[in-house]
Amino acid sequence: ETVMTQSPATLSVSPGERVTLSCRASQNVGTWLAWYQQKPGQAPRLLISGASVRATGIPARFSGSGSGTEFTLTISSLQSEDFAVYYCQQYDKWSYTFGQGTKLDFK
Amino acid sequence: QLQLRESGPRLVKPSETLSLTCSVSGESVSNDKYFWGWIRQPPGKGLEWIGSLHHNGRIRYNPSLESRVTVSLDTSRNQVSLNLTSVTAADTAIYYCARDFNFDYFDPWGQGTLVTVSS
Repeated sequence: ETVMTQSPATLSVSPGERVTLSCRASQNVGTWLAWYQQKPGQAPRLLISGASVRATGIPARFSGSGSGTEFTLTISSLQSEDFAVYYCQQYDKWSYTFGQGTKLDFK
Repeated sequence: QLQLRESGPRLVKPSETLSLTCSVSGESVSNDKYFWGWIRQPPGKGLEWIGSLHHNGRIRYNPSLESRVTVSLDTSRNQVSLNLTSVTAADTAIYYCARDFNFDYFDPWGQGTLVTVSS
């Protein structure tokens, strides 16, 4: 099983800041990497697939990068509606696995 | 617009079978392009994939749950079903169904339904 490790677990930030979230895979997943946003009481929402492709309707301030085992989700200028938990997810030939999530909260 | 809605018992007794249905509207579950998946999330915790299937019969399960899980399609009703046997308190979670883009990512997700395992 490919283990996904996200860091940090919690990030205290302020609106307007540039935010970088990290996700590391225990083995090479190429660019088979997705990012999701989850707000309290809501289902996860797809942000990024293929490591860097924004999903339909996702603002341009969200960008993804990386390949292999190291991936990054960047929010260029944090908006109030972006405070949420972010998960990365991969699929290898056996199963999907998710990271444990990074929570953005107010500084 | 594609919508998915999970339904089923909210409370299941230990050792019994958890059964949920996902009603899909705005897309056919028989569309060759897509798989259909189940994911769960224990309260306050992270996400765990349960299984995904295609109408052609191709199925993948999470190895950690495979012995207890069955996922199926009802193409006549455009529904996806989940059965999880021999449940324990550890199976208490919000259960989501989602469209699975050919074992790549999930989009969109249903609203989820909380199932509690308790006597």
